[in-house]
Amino acid sequence: EIVLTQSPGTLSLSPGERATLSCRASQSVSTTYVAWYQQKPGQAPRLLIYGAFTRATGIPDRFSGTGSGTDFTLTISRLEPEDFAVYYCQQYVSSAEYSFGQGTKLEIK
Amino acid sequence: QVQLQESGPGLVKPSETLSLTCTVSGASVSSGNYFWSWIRQPPGKGLEWIGYIFHSGSTNYNPSLKSRVTMSVDTSKNHFSLKLSSVTAADTAIYYCARDNIGAGGPSDYWGQGTLVTVSS
Repeated sequence: EIVLTQSPGTLSLSPGERATLSCRASQSVSTTYVAWYQQKPGQAPRLLIYGAFTRATGIPDRFSGTGSGTDFTLTISRLEPEDFAVYYCQQYVSSAEYSFGQGTKLEIK
Repeated sequence: QVQLQESGPGLVKPSETLSLTCTVSGASVSSGNYFWSWIRQPPGKGLEWIGYIFHSGSTNYNPSLKSRVTMSVDTSKNHFSLKLSSVTAADTAIYYCARDNIGAGGPSDYWGQGTLVTVSS
């Protein structure tokens, strides 16, 4: 089982600031199989990034994903009011057990 | 426009079987390009992957739930289903169905709105 640990648990920032969210895997994961999701209250998660780096359709370019091996990062370059939400990383290595991180809550400072 | 919609009882008694269906529009569950997944989220908590099914009927389940989970797919109705047996209060959660895009490596690119299932007598 691949365990994903996200940090920080809560991140307090202001609109216009840069957000850096971390996801660490308990073992190496191919970049092909790492995704980031955004979830707002009362809504289903929305795919932001897949393959560690690729933005999903319609996702603004202020969202970017980086990383390799066991360490992956989601960066939001300039926070907009609508970006305050909970973010989850996921690994989806085919034919294996998928898993999600525990989430990072991005809140307005 | 791809849409997924969960349906099923919102209240299930302890020890009984939870049954949900996800109806898909705008995409075919018969396609070899997708897995069809279930994910759940206990109130106020994080996401838990339950498993997925392929159009052929092959499945991949979370080992922690494997003994209680059964997934099936009905290509004639373009829907897929989840059964979770011997439920307890710990199974109370919002249950989401999702489409996993194999061509993109497997991320869940479309999700249903979710349905809350409460386990209580």
